[in-house]
Amino acid sequence: RKEVEQDPGPFNVPEGATVAFNCTYSNSASQSFFWYRQDCRKEPKLLMSVYSSGNEDGRFTAQLNRASQYISLLIRDSKLSDSATYLCAVMNTGFQKLVFGTGTRLLVSP
Amino acid sequence: NAGVTQTPKFRILKIGQSMTLQCAQDMNHNYMYWYRQDPGMGLKLIYYSVGAGITDKGEVPNGYNVSRSTTEDFPLRLELAAPSQTSVYFCASSYQSGSSYNEQFFGPGTRLTVL
Repeated sequence: RKEVEQDPGPFNVPEGATVAFNCTYSNSASQSFFWYRQDCRKEPKLLMSVYSSGNEDGRFTAQLNRASQYISLLIRDSKLSDSATYLCAVMNTGFQKLVFGTGTRLLVSP
Repeated sequence: NAGVTQTPKFRILKIGQSMTLQCAQDMNHNYMYWYRQDPGMGLKLIYYSVGAGITDKGEVPNGYNVSRSTTEDFPLRLELAAPSQTSVYFCASSYQSGSSYNEQFFGPGTRLTVL
C-alpha cells in the first residue's frame, strides 16, 4: 500500500461547482498534513496546511480525519484559475520530510 | 529575494554522461531538499540536508550525489546518466526550528532527458 494515496482524476467540473478531493495516508503516526497546488510544468506551491480542527481559507476548506486516516480539500465556487493538480503531503514524526501523493488533477470548464 | 533558483532549466544528456544540477536559495534556510517527479507521479525525495556539511539519503538516492558546502547552495550530481533518470528535478528549501513545520519553497525545476 502506498504511504499517501490520491485519486488521480481528472475531475472535470463547471465553473461555480463545488468539488472535493480526498487523500488517504497509511502511517497512523503522521503528524502534519498539507495541500499543495501544482500548475502544469511548474513547481508545487503550498495551498494550505490541514489542522485537526479543520481550516478554511476563502473558498478552500481542508479537513483531517485521523480515525479514518484521510485528509480532504473542498473547493467552493470553482474558478477557471483553480484548474491545476492538487498534491497532498504528509509529514511523519522526526525529520521534517514530506511524503507526497501523486496528485489529483482538476479541470474547471466555462 | 530570488527565492530558490535552479539551473539549467532543461538538459538532454547521453547515457553515461555526468552533470550537476545547481540549486541556490537566498532565504537563509537551513533545510534543503532534492526531489524528482516522473510524469503523473508525486515527488520523491532524493537527498536532503539539514545544514551546511550535513546531507542524508531520501527515498531514491541511487545514481545521485549531493554536497552542501554552504547554506545557500545544494548541487545534485549525476555521475553516469541512465534513461531511468529522465525526470523533472525540483530543489526546495525551508527553515526548520524545533518541531514546528515551516513551508517548503520549491525552485522552478530542471527538466532532464537522458537518451
